[in-house]
Amino acid sequence: GQNIDQPTEMTATEGAIVQINCTYQTSGFNGLFWYQQHAGEAPTFLSYNVLDGLEEKGRFSSFLSRSKGYSYLLLKELQMKDSASYLCAVLDSNYQLIWGAGTKLIIKP
Amino acid sequence: DTAVSQTPKYLVTQMGNDKSIKCEQNLGHDTMYWYKQDSKKFLKIMFSYNNKELIINETVPNRFSPKSPDKAHLNLHINSLELGDSAVYFCASSQADYTDTQYFGPGTRLTVL
Repeated sequence: GQNIDQPTEMTATEGAIVQINCTYQTSGFNGLFWYQQHAGEAPTFLSYNVLDGLEEKGRFSSFLSRSKGYSYLLLKELQMKDSASYLCAVLDSNYQLIWGAGTKLIIKP
Repeated sequence: DTAVSQTPKYLVTQMGNDKSIKCEQNLGHDTMYWYKQDSKKFLKIMFSYNNKELIINETVPNRFSPKSPDKAHLNLHINSLELGDSAVYFCASSQADYTDTQYFGPGTRLTVL
């Protein structure tokens, strides 16, 4: 079967750095997405990785290792507004988007 | 300038009723989607549709049916509503297919009593 694993919840301090991991087992791979979802709102796109390595975009970076079936989202200089759920999603060989359950990130002052 | 809009935002109805949720995108995208997000926050794809192909998640009951009057609209019809249908339903669109960024609507919270 296809599976996406993420931690259910993480807590971090304002101004700090946090890394949210995602591991996947899917039938084929055509890319991995990270989305942010604030409570009661729709998901918004953060990043898309299809090649191995680190992609940096401001305070957010996303890393991919296809051989390990692993990705992480790195958030730097955390702000209170970063409190949200972070969803990992993998595009499989049939171009079906498989979603993880999301990681709820709590930022404390 | 809402990119992807859905109506209604909240929908409360009785078991057995038939209801529709409307979705419109003004991004000129070719593909639209319907997702169901349950109380455990899993986001499950229900349908993806462009002007060539409707792809249905085989786990979706046939009480659910998408209707697309044109490229900018993908409405969701639900017949004989059940308690388990209570969830938040998100519409989304992308330029071409899954490899493109998906833009989500604000969601419709459906409560079946």
